[in-house]
Amino acid sequence: EVQLVQSGGEVKKPGESLQISCKGSGYSFNTYWIGWMRQMPGKGLEWMGIIYPGDSDTRYSPSFQGQVTISADKSIRTAYLQWSSLKASDTAMYFCARQGSSFDGFDIWGQGALVTVSS
Amino acid sequence: QSALTQPRSVSGSPGQSVTIPCTGTSSDVGNYKSVSWYQHHPGKAPKLIIYDVNKRPSGVPDRFSGSKSGNTASLTISGLQAEDETDYFCCSYAGSYTYVFGTATKVTVL
Repeated sequence: EVQLVQSGGEVKKPGESLQISCKGSGYSFNTYWIGWMRQMPGKGLEWMGIIYPGDSDTRYSPSFQGQVTISADKSIRTAYLQWSSLKASDTAMYFCARQGSSFDGFDIWGQGALVTVSS
Repeated sequence: QSALTQPRSVSGSPGQSVTIPCTGTSSDVGNYKSVSWYQHHPGKAPKLIIYDVNKRPSGVPDRFSGSKSGNTASLTISGLQAEDETDYFCCSYAGSYTYVFGTATKVTVL
């Protein structure tokens, strides 16, 4: 079965660092782009960025450039989303998703990871 | 990049049709045949239901259809069923491996 499994929810304090993960299985992980999306409480999805695990080519939304780091370790079929210093405004659900092989969209999604940042 | 605009909610009775517009700009929706639609039950992973404006992945009922005119794409759900009640959002490719999502629409089956 093709799937993306994300790490669990996290509760952090402002200023702390965090890395959440997205592990792919059932397909050639290296050859599909993986995107990250944010959904703030009561809001729609925002595209954060995308990475090609085969060579770690990464593109960021201007809104998130410098705010987060997207990376991947192809040896363990895992993509990451990382913060060096969390803010309360980072509280949101975060999704990873696989870009389609022959179309521009996302055909497989992770289950989401809720990040709560509160003092 | 500004979010694509969708109505906050639409509703219809069982068996009726509802259409959800998704309005972007000439830099995204109007410039690419790469609009996709997703069904999202809160707490679950979103599900792709339309890609490339009007194509359905295997297993998606043909009650779901997509179209595009200018800077506006649309999702139509025909023969509305109770199980269709949930959130839907659109997404458009915006060039250089970037994407923009819609603001999401809640479909209510009356």
